[in-house]
Amino acid sequence: GAVVSQHPSWVICKSGTSVKIECRSLDFQATTMFWYRQFPKQSLMLMATSNEGSKATYEQGVEKDKFLINHASLTLSTLTVTSAHPEDSSFYICSARQQGGNTEAFFGQGTRLTVV
Amino acid sequence: GESVGLHLPTLSVQEGDNSIINCAYSNSASDYFIWYKQESGKGPQFIIDIRSNMDKRQGQRVTVLLNKTVKHLSLQIAATQPGDSAVYFCAENALNQAGTALIFGKGTTLSVSS
Repeated sequence: GAVVSQHPSWVICKSGTSVKIECRSLDFQATTMFWYRQFPKQSLMLMATSNEGSKATYEQGVEKDKFLINHASLTLSTLTVTSAHPEDSSFYICSARQQGGNTEAFFGQGTRLTVV
Repeated sequence: GESVGLHLPTLSVQEGDNSIINCAYSNSASDYFIWYKQESGKGPQFIIDIRSNMDKRQGQRVTVLLNKTVKHLSLQIAATQPGDSAVYFCAENALNQAGTALIFGKGTTLSVSS
């Protein structure tokens, strides 16, 4: 089956530093990747949609200069949280679609970010 | 904006009972829906999906029902087991500026006691 791998699974960083999270589709080419954020006991909130070779499209309220997304290849997307603050601590999850439209999206295992 | 929501935040059942988890959606243009299961500290796991041209779809121990008239989606789990305990989300495939994306509802926590 389609597998999406996310790395790291957890990370602790100091305030003011930047953290990069990788999302890889292991056995398929992902034309579109998505980044979600999930706070405790809440739902997944879509942050941005990333099409390979294009700039990411951010949801309203998500700072594009703070959450840098790169989707340089059909198997890799990265999310960089720049100048992290404690309020950025959350569970970040990526997903990938093999083709556009109304098809299943496969999810990574998530990255727990803690900013101290 | 329009979003997907759930009626109940928690559902407690006994092992062996049938479980029904409901979801109300508001975007009438959505053409595809998925139910996901999420265990603590993990990413969502696909359970079953349904397209808008269908009313019902069955999988192994699970059934999804779609009522487009009242914009309602439900997940039925037969013979619920302790391993089914998790948070369940419905998601709708909604239009966004980049095409379409899965928008998640609030989630229902299912607790199964043996």
